[in-house]
Amino acid sequence: GQSLEQPSEVTAVEGAIVQINCTYQTSGFYGLSWYQQHDGGAPTFLSYNALDGLEETGRFSSFLSRSDSYGYLLLQELQMKDSASYFCAVREDSNYQLIWGAGTKLIIKP
Amino acid sequence: EAGVTQFPSHSVIEKGQTVTLRCDPISGHDNLYWYRRVMGKEIKFLLHFVKESKQDESGMPNNRFLAERTGGTYSTLKVQPAELEDSGVYFCASSQGDGWYGYTFGSGTRLTVV
Repeated sequence: GQSLEQPSEVTAVEGAIVQINCTYQTSGFYGLSWYQQHDGGAPTFLSYNALDGLEETGRFSSFLSRSDSYGYLLLQELQMKDSASYFCAVREDSNYQLIWGAGTKLIIKP
Repeated sequence: EAGVTQFPSHSVIEKGQTVTLRCDPISGHDNLYWYRRVMGKEIKFLLHFVKESKQDESGMPNNRFLAERTGGTYSTLKVQPAELEDSGVYFCASSQGDGWYGYTFGSGTRLTVV
């Protein structure tokens, strides 16, 4: 079956670096996306990886290893506003639908 | 540009009643998607419109759910009759192209069936 595994909760300190992992098991793979969601808000697109390697966008980076069915989101110089839930999502075929992980709640302490 | 708008933001209905959720996508976005998150679980795909046509409705749970997008603009999702297990947050998203470079989501409608 289809499944994406990510930690349910991660705690980090303001100014630090945190990595949120995602492993996936899907019948196909087109790419991996990451979304951020603040409580009660809309999921917001952060990044996507279709090929192996690291993609950097400001303080956020995303990595993909297709051979390991694994990716991660790296957040640097953490700020209190980064406290949110982070979701990984896979597009497994030519259909547009995404398969989602259950989300990782990131808690940032001063 | 205005974002994706959903309403109501919250709805509490009794089991057996009917509820209609509405989504206004970003103007010009041909692709519109409905997703649902049941409490504590993964966000699940419901269906995908391209303009007014249903491109993929493989995620619709059963025939109590009816989605429409008349005229290819806003979309409605009707649940009739509602059951307790329908409770959750219903998200709408839109994209101009295939969405792989990111969908724009609305803030969702939190549906509670009691």
